[in-house]
Amino acid sequence: EAQVTQNPRYLITVTGKKLTVTCSQNMNHEYMSWYRQDPGLGLRQIYYSMNVEVTDKGDVPEGYKVSRKEKRNFPLILESPSPNQTSLYFCASSSAVYEQYFGPGTRLTVT
Amino acid sequence: AQSVTQPDIHITVSEGASLELRCNYSYGATPYLFWYVQSPGQGLQLLLKYFSGDTLVQGIKGFEAEFKRSQSSFNLRKPSVHWSDAAEYFCAVASSGGYQKVTFGTGTKLQVIP
Repeated sequence: EAQVTQNPRYLITVTGKKLTVTCSQNMNHEYMSWYRQDPGLGLRQIYYSMNVEVTDKGDVPEGYKVSRKEKRNFPLILESPSPNQTSLYFCASSSAVYEQYFGPGTRLTVT
Repeated sequence: AQSVTQPDIHITVSEGASLELRCNYSYGATPYLFWYVQSPGQGLQLLLKYFSGDTLVQGIKGFEAEFKRSQSSFNLRKPSVHWSDAAEYFCAVASSGGYQKVTFGTGTKLQVIP
């Protein structure tokens, strides 16, 4: 089954404790993206990747890091999380035709 | 910079009534436009997309959208709404040119009443 998986689905952490949210897709897609969703703000793109070792900033990259060492994986790293990063995070992947497939989401709470 | 405006935060329609959700975009070249739906507690699912060609595009679940360049709009329509259509709907624009900077609107929450 074609899918995008994210782990963990729920995470509660404390300010400053480094964390990684994993994202994996099994569709051999070149493009992958991370978004955050906040009430009233819709989805905002954090980072995107056009292929292995090729990444670029989206609209809200501050406080986040990404890496793309393998085509199927695109982890999101918060090196020093802060409460304003409490949000619902989505990973997405697509082929060159832009049709994005979204993961189920990761709800992150930073206290 | 590209942007998307969904002017209606919340819309309520009766089951069986027609629906139109508004979307206005700002983009310098020919945009790639999308509508996604998000059911409560779920991820996003693509309803339809426009890249070029026929300005009226058909999607899944009986939805359609019309691209109007002169009005910078890409409104979503459905002739008869079902209770299962209650969800949040997002319009999005993507930059052309081989990379995927995508900008979403803030969403329109649809409530369907019997």
